[in-house]
Amino acid sequence: QKEVEQNSGPLSVPEGAIASLNCTYSDRGSQSFFWYRQYSGKSPELIMSIYSNGDKEDGRFTAQLNKASQYVSLLIRDSQPSDSATYLCAVTDGNQFYFGTGTSLTVIP
Amino acid sequence: EAGVAQSPRYKIIEKRQSVAFWCNPISGHATLYWYQQILGQGPKLLIQFQNNGVVDDSQLPKDRFSAERLKGVDSTLKIQPAKLEDSAVYLCASSRRTGLAYNEQFFGPGTRLTVL
Repeated sequence: QKEVEQNSGPLSVPEGAIASLNCTYSDRGSQSFFWYRQYSGKSPELIMSIYSNGDKEDGRFTAQLNKASQYVSLLIRDSQPSDSATYLCAVTDGNQFYFGTGTSLTVIP
Repeated sequence: EAGVAQSPRYKIIEKRQSVAFWCNPISGHATLYWYQQILGQGPKLLIQFQNNGVVDDSQLPKDRFSAERLKGVDSTLKIQPAKLEDSAVYLCASSRRTGLAYNEQFFGPGTRLTVL
């Protein structure tokens, strides 16, 4: 059984702080890694994709991948109240996608 | 580029009734996925199509759920008869094709099903 694990939270950070979200996966054959943001009552929205070890930055978001440790993280700098959502980690071996249960983030104004 | 389209957005039915959901993927996307998402959980794959062929339906409750993608484009998911535990959001997603290393998956708005 291929598993993707995330802390369910809730994670609360003050506005302007850095939010750090973590994800581990069990399948060493995983090739691609994604972070989705899901607002309450909405569908998941793809915000970051990462395919190789290291960091990938996009605006206030940075994804970090360490395949040796089977670990992927998402950093949100200068957190805003609009970042309050559930963040889903997803992993694929190229054929199937496996999702974590999500981490709920609340940014406090 | 238009996103993944789904209808209806909401559906309320009584148990033992039937219901159908429709999905149109992003143009050119060969792979289509149907997920079930229960509140507080991650999406659970029900069925995955590559063009009009089934790649994975191992978690589809085949005694009551069925899905088709006859022409390799849009798809329907049907539940008959519905049970109370089928109350969930049904998400459709698409990606360019199975087997690609850089295979981003995009979701439609979902259908919220309530079974009374």
